Amino acid sequence: NAGVTQTPKFRILKIGQSMTLQCAQDMNHNYMYWYRQDPGMGLKLIYYSVGAGITDKGEVPNGYNVSRSTTEDFPLRLELAAPSQTSVYFCASSYTGQEKLFFGSGTQLSVL
Amino acid sequence: AQSVTQLDSHVSVSEGTPVLLRCNYSSSYSPSLFWYVQHPNKGLQLLLKYTSAATLVKGINGFEAEFKKSETSFHLTKPSAHMSDAAEYFCVVTHAGKSTFGDGTTLTVKP
Repeated sequence: NAGVTQTPKFRILKIGQSMTLQCAQDMNHNYMYWYRQDPGMGLKLIYYSVGAGITDKGEVPNGYNVSRSTTEDFPLRLELAAPSQTSVYFCASSYTGQEKLFFGSGTQLSVL
Repeated sequence: AQSVTQLDSHVSVSEGTPVLLRCNYSSSYSPSLFWYVQHPNKGLQLLLKYTSAATLVKGINGFEAEFKKSETSFHLTKPSAHMSDAAEYFCVVTHAGKSTFGDGTTLTVKP
């Protein structure tokens, strides 16, 4: 099973550029999440979704947008990249929202 | 609202000695609690979880944690540290589909 698949693994952006981080899961999970992890810090929740068509803000949503048109996919959009968005991004999913999180392998993003 | 405080940012132990990683949580509800481990340049792996069953939870690799509601704590322990336990450990509180992570504790194991 593929589990949670994130692409790309690495990306360098210039200030002001935009990009979409892709996330897909094949486990039929209802809940999907985007986290960012800054060096030496825990994971901060950016956005999450409890099902197709439903999204909600997490702790640090500014500068990001999401959509959930299907159960499988949960892309994260950066519209105007800023150096403060340099981080490692993790997508995760879970079936009930109260069970373990399944994580993607992460995307290392640098904004220069 | 919910939050997690990992009381030690770094813990250093000698191989073969006990490990204690401390976690306090705050939640308006009865949450689920988890410990995850992250080895360098790797993804996150679930160690164990508490979901309102037994208060002493056993996980993988000899780790266990005890849920103490009166102290709002969920400390992680292991009787004897191994070199392979060196990693970053995260305590997580979850309610209504929303998971909040602590800032992590770096465990160093000395030979």
